[in-house]
Amino acid sequence: IAGITQAPTSQILAAGRRMTLRCTQDMRHNAMYWYRQDLGLGLRLIHYSNTAGTTGKGEVPDGYSVSRANTDDFPLTLASAVPSQTSVYFCASSDAGGPTDTQYFGPGTRLTVL
Amino acid sequence: GENVEQHPSTLSVQEGDSAVIKCTYSDSASNYFPWYKQELGKRPQLIIDIRSNVGEKKDQRIAVTLNKTAKHFSLHITETQPEDSAVYFCAATKDSENYGQNFVFGPGTRLSVLP
Repeated sequence: IAGITQAPTSQILAAGRRMTLRCTQDMRHNAMYWYRQDLGLGLRLIHYSNTAGTTGKGEVPDGYSVSRANTDDFPLTLASAVPSQTSVYFCASSDAGGPTDTQYFGPGTRLTVL
Repeated sequence: GENVEQHPSTLSVQEGDSAVIKCTYSDSASNYFPWYKQELGKRPQLIIDIRSNVGEKKDQRIAVTLNKTAKHFSLHITETQPEDSAVYFCAATKDSENYGQNFVFGPGTRLSVLP
């Protein structure tokens, strides 16, 4: 693995189903983030984690949960998917507090909820 | 908290001309300002950044300027090419323990370079 990866690349999901989007980074970054990007709009922060073992709510956290059991992984779970959660989801990580706070993004997961 | 505005929302330029995108921020404690480029269907990628102790930074055809007093920073692209067509996002953040909520993106600018 080099950088930050996400899985799956895309998914079609029936409403009401549970879904976990996976995110893994191998850069030993302390901070990780989940964003959603809807068509024609910017990036909206769902949840974040400043360090392993801690998480926080972003701008649009309702309907989503996260966990950060270790430094590398930051899964995002939709407990019961709804059509309004149709979006492209980006995971990101950063060496927050280090020489640069740049966020590095994963390739994204395109999720469609029917 | 921090609020970042970005203008214009869309910008069309002729190939070879320059493009300028401006962002303003509200939190005077913000000290790191990156710019991201997102091509259609791709992830946002860092193209240039600037810290508050520097007024200008250049990298080939792109440059960023920062005015701390006025709390705005701008992206300048010279000699634009069709491959510069993308959505550009600015962001602002500050040194703090709460990294997650401190990193705020602007709404984006869709740049189209016309041949």
